[in-house]
Amino acid sequence: RKEVEQDPGPFNVPEGATVAFNCTYSNSASQSFFWYRQDCRKEPKLLMSVYSSGNEDGRFTAQLNRASQYISLLIRDSKLSDSATYLCVVNGRTNAGKSTFGDGTTLTVKP
Amino acid sequence: GAVVSQHPSRVICKSGTSVKIECRSLDFQATTMFWYRQFPKKSLMLMATSNEGSKATYEQGVEKDKFLINHASLTLSTLTVTSAHPEDSSFYICSARAASGSYEQYFGPGTRLTVT
Repeated sequence: RKEVEQDPGPFNVPEGATVAFNCTYSNSASQSFFWYRQDCRKEPKLLMSVYSSGNEDGRFTAQLNRASQYISLLIRDSKLSDSATYLCVVNGRTNAGKSTFGDGTTLTVKP
Repeated sequence: GAVVSQHPSRVICKSGTSVKIECRSLDFQATTMFWYRQFPKKSLMLMATSNEGSKATYEQGVEKDKFLINHASLTLSTLTVTSAHPEDSSFYICSARAASGSYEQYFGPGTRLTVT
């Protein structure tokens, strides 16, 4: 089983749609969680951190469920520019602070 | 936000030659830098973790004599691909973690290596 698992998609949605991605992790000692966005042939860019209390940044909402060991990302009112691959990243203190990346979920927003 | 640069952005070299890639944190000090490689349509694969002033920690299956890492200062880490072969062709990305203790990583723009 992979340490971090994501549904690879692709998710094809129309503009304005709401789309949600889930990510599960296996290491219960994981300490911090992030969503990154990666555009084709570009480096990943931090989208947002994920907290137990949940956090929201504009159209994006991230949630963490420690009991079930999953995190989610909700995108409301999708824009064409949201098309990208979204990477779930998990850090665990027990592995010297290394980050473990999911394989990513590809989103395509169509007009 | 924090900026990380990589140089070169693209390199084509002949089989058997060595290639050095630089990773710099431009506006912050990075105690830890990471080196990844990424194949098309795949996620990032961690190659090694580099801490300033100490030897890099390599992931299982990554040859340390093949991929030499030097983290000489808090703002610079280098990756040297020695005796490159076509199978080393890939997208190499570095990231840096600030000394503040945050787990956030800031990625360089990547280096596309093609070995002919």
